This record gives sequence, structure tokens and C-alpha cells, in this order.
Amino acid sequence: QLQLQESGSGLVKPSQTLSLTCAVSGGSISSGGYSWSWIRQPPGKGLEWIGYIYHSGSTYYNPSLKSRVTISVDRSKNQFSLKLSSVTAADTAVYYCARRTGTTGGIDYWGQGTLVTVSS
Amino acid sequence: DIQLTQSPSFLSASVGDRVTITCRASQGISSYLAWYQQKPGKAPKLLIYAASTLQSGVPSRFSGSGSGTEFTLTISSLQPEDFATYYCQQLNSYPRFGGGTKVEIK
Repeated sequence: QLQLQESGSGLVKPSQTLSLTCAVSGGSISSGGYSWSWIRQPPGKGLEWIGYIYHSGSTYYNPSLKSRVTISVDRSKNQFSLKLSSVTAADTAVYYCARRTGTTGGIDYWGQGTLVTVSS
Repeated sequence: DIQLTQSPSFLSASVGDRVTITCRASQGISSYLAWYQQKPGKAPKLLIYAASTLQSGVPSRFSGSGSGTEFTLTISSLQPEDFATYYCQQLNSYPRFGGGTKVEIK
């Protein structure tokens, strides 16, 4: 059974960089046919797609966040990461990592989510 | 940018009711749409992908239909465990989500 687990700092100061890692177990991140996503949800609000990376390393980012987002993959550790720079209070959210199958499939595996608070 | 608009944003229903949620896309997206269920404090769960394909393990009372710009999620007979928030998501290169529909007990 595939499992995803987010880790990283739960508290980030304004203007600094948010960094999260998603450890994948029960399957290889290098397997073809999947993309690996980051999605966030501000408290009490809806879901916002941040971006995703294919096993090949190709990335797609939400245009509204593109200038601040970097998603990368570490195949040796079977994990992928998110960096979001110049954070503000508006970036406070639960951050989820997830896997999507193919180009027509939905997001079928999710991490449990991790709350990141931006505050001084 | 393709926008997804869900309606209603809030729905009050009783156990056994037939419930329909609509998701409208600002441009045609063929059948590139998924539906998710989210309960408080939990990650979303995939219900439907490719507009009408039921994800493995999801009860058959859930169904999806539509293509192009208008899509629906139907719960044929609402069960107590179905009270949750539902989101649609476009499945093209920029997979944004709709605003969500909260289904509460009447």
C-alpha cells in the first residue's frame, strides 16, 4: 500500500522560505505513469493546487504561485520536496503531498497533511 | 485560466435523499474532471475520475456525469457517512479545484 508522509517546519517567519518533504513508501517515485503533487488548504477554506512533478523531473506550477515555488524530486531517498519563498500569513495552510495516476486519473493517494503557520 | 464553479456551495439534506452537485468549467475540458470527498481534519478522498469512472472501493451510490463544461456528482441515497465537503477538480495541465460543496444534515 502506497503511503505518503509530509515533514518539515510547522512555523515559518514572514519573508522566509517554507520547506516541506514528502516521503513515499510502498512504491517507487521513479515509476512511470504518475505525477507527484503539492496541494494546500488554508484553515476553513478550499483546496488550492500548488504544483506537481513527473518522474521525469518535468514540473507544472500554479501560475499564481509560480514565481515563488520549486518542486524537486530525490529519487535516491524516494521523496519529493516543496519550497515556497517569500511567505506571508496568506500562506498559512495545511499542506498535502499526493500522487496522481496518469493524465486522466485523479489524485488517488494523499498524505495526512501538515499545518504550516506563517508568523513572526 | 479555466475556472471551476460548484453549486450549491452548501446543501442541507436528509439520509436517503438523492443529492446532485454541479461543477461548471469556464471552458471545455472534455471529460478531464474528478470529484473528491473531504471530511473534517482528513485528506480528500478520490470518488470519481474522468468525469464518470468510479474509483476502486467507492460505493456505487456515487456517480458522475457530464463532459465539456457541465458536470454533476450524484449520490443516489445519502448515507450518514456521506455528510462531508465535495470538490471537483479539472484534470488538465493546471488541475485547479472548484470551491467546494458542503453537505450537511437537515
